[in-house]
Parts: sequence; C-alpha cells; structure tokens
Amino acid sequence: DTEVTQTPKHLVMGMTNKKSLKCEQHMGHRAMYWYKQKAKKPPELMFVYSYEKLSINESVPSRFSPECPNSSLLNLHLHALQPEDSALYLCASSQEAGGVQPQHFGDGTRLSIL
Amino acid sequence: AQSVTQPDIHITVSEGASLELRCNYSYGATPYLFWYVQSPGQGLQLLLKYFSGDTLVQGIKGFEAEFKRSQSSLNLRKPSVHWSDAAEYFCAVGSGGGADGLTFGKGTHLIIQP
Repeated sequence: DTEVTQTPKHLVMGMTNKKSLKCEQHMGHRAMYWYKQKAKKPPELMFVYSYEKLSINESVPSRFSPECPNSSLLNLHLHALQPEDSALYLCASSQEAGGVQPQHFGDGTRLSIL
Repeated sequence: AQSVTQPDIHITVSEGASLELRCNYSYGATPYLFWYVQSPGQGLQLLLKYFSGDTLVQGIKGFEAEFKRSQSSLNLRKPSVHWSDAAEYFCAVGSGGGADGLTFGKGTHLIIQP
C-alpha cells in the first residue's frame, strides 16, 4: 500500500472543463511534488512545494495551477487543458525538499483529455 | 546539469536467472542516486538509494546495487528474478542541495521469460 494517496485514479475531461487532482500524505513530509508521465517515458517534474511554499515551477503552462493548503495536502487545478496533456500525473513527497531525500510516490491519476 | 543514462531500453531475462540493469550518471559532485520500479498502472516504488559510504547497497525485494565512481555507475542487480519482477525500472539522480526534484533516466523495461 502506498503512503501517498492520489484521487481520483482516473479522470476524463473535456477541454473546457475545470477539475482538480488531489494528493495526501501523512508521513510528516515537508516537501511535495507533481510529476507528469507520458506513456513509456520517465516522470517529468512539474512543481515542488517546500514547507507549503512553491519553490519550483518547471515552466509549466498556466492551465495547471498547483495549491498546497497544508503540509499534508497538495492539489493540482486543471483548466482548459489540451489533448497533449493526457498523461499519468504523479504526486510524491519527501522529508525535506532537495535531491538528497528519497521521494515516495502515489499511484497517480490517469488523465484523459477529450 | 545532472543527468542519468540507462543504456538498455528492454531487457529479457529467464525466470530464475540473474539480472543486472545499468545506470550511468553525470554529476559534478557526489551524486545522490536512486532506483525505482514501476509496475503497470502504478506509481514508482523506491528500491534503494545510494548517498555515500559502502559501494554495495542493499534494497528491498532482493535487489542490490553497486556504486562504481570510476565508471560513474550504479548498476542494479538481483541474483534470481521472479515473474513478478517484470516492470519498468528507473534510475534517478538528485542534486545535493536546493529544492529540486529528481532527474530520471529513460527507464529499462524488464521482461521475464518463463
């Protein structure tokens, strides 16, 4: 069982819809991450939150809007997505931000844009 | 910039045979290296991590890895594979400081023959 929980597991949405992906961890970790993974590709970093503050935005389009309401929760708000945004979205957490800490991943949300 | 290379896109191994997956890194300082496994439809599970110290690192599920600085490598090994080991394996490198995420290799797809 994963210690990082992502909901929903699957999401199908039209290009004009607004939806949100949710991620929760109860390990006391202070860093949380969003990655995007296309089929047969490695995960690509989108955002990093450290102590509930956005510390890295890897030039992600504004149609993706992250939010960290508290240290256990991470949301990704979606609006006006494009078909090429269809992918597996993975959330991860680590004790502290930075590449020295192993990251724990959720099972992801598989997103399909019609 | 840090990078990771996994030279083998696919590897096929017979059940019960030994396994070695290759990973080469490029990083200016002491690397923080990780091996993750991803089964279909799931997130990434941490197999092991290397920070410093002993060059042989033990992980979960019977995996181990040997760090060789002279070859800039952290190769993943298992003495005897099981059918359940069929999955995608990613090597990743983290930076020593800052609030970065991980940089992943392209992955190696492991196929187990009966």
